[in-house]
Amino acid sequence: DGGITQSPKYLFRKEGQNVTLSCEQNLNHDAMYWYRQDPGQGLRLIYYSQIVNDFQKGDIAEGYSVSREKKESFPLTVTSAQKNPTAFYLCASRLTSGAYNEQFFGPGTRLTVL
Amino acid sequence: AQRVTQPEKLLSVFKGAPVELKCNYSYSGSPELFWYVQYSRQRLQLLLRHISRESIKGFTADLNKGETSFHLKKPFAQEEDSAMYYCALEPYGGATNKLIFGTGTLLAVQP
Repeated sequence: DGGITQSPKYLFRKEGQNVTLSCEQNLNHDAMYWYRQDPGQGLRLIYYSQIVNDFQKGDIAEGYSVSREKKESFPLTVTSAQKNPTAFYLCASRLTSGAYNEQFFGPGTRLTVL
Repeated sequence: AQRVTQPEKLLSVFKGAPVELKCNYSYSGSPELFWYVQYSRQRLQLLLRHISRESIKGFTADLNKGETSFHLKKPFAQEEDSAMYYCALEPYGGATNKLIFGTGTLLAVQP
């Protein structure tokens, strides 16, 4: 089954803990993205990566970190510095050859801070 | 600043009625515009993009550069159209491969 997978589906965290959200794709896409989805605020870009070992901050990167050691994987760490981490997190990927390519999305991870 | 505005959080229509989901953008160049849709319990997925000039599931969207709008339209709504719809902008050239999303409109089609 091809596509983008995210795990876990639900994640609970205590305040002060770091957690890592997994995102894997087997679409051979170069670019990968992390978004945060909150009610009434749409999708906001956290981090993105266009190539292995390189990534850029999005609009709301504070309190988050990423790595891109493999083309297939783009894990997101929500650190204790993120003041309001409870949200739905979406990972996406796309081809970078050509322009205006479709972004493909994962099923999402819902993070709740207890 | 680059921005996408969807003024309606919720749009409720009856089955068979026309639908128009509004999208306005702010961008100094010529962007590419997209509509993404998220059905209940499904992933966010591309509905249509301006560059393709296509009609998907009866939906169309016309780019109006004078009004900086990319409204999504369908002449006769169906119950299965109920979903969250997001308008998105990609700056011209696509060099950054980034999308800027609006806040979304929830379309509810009543029977």
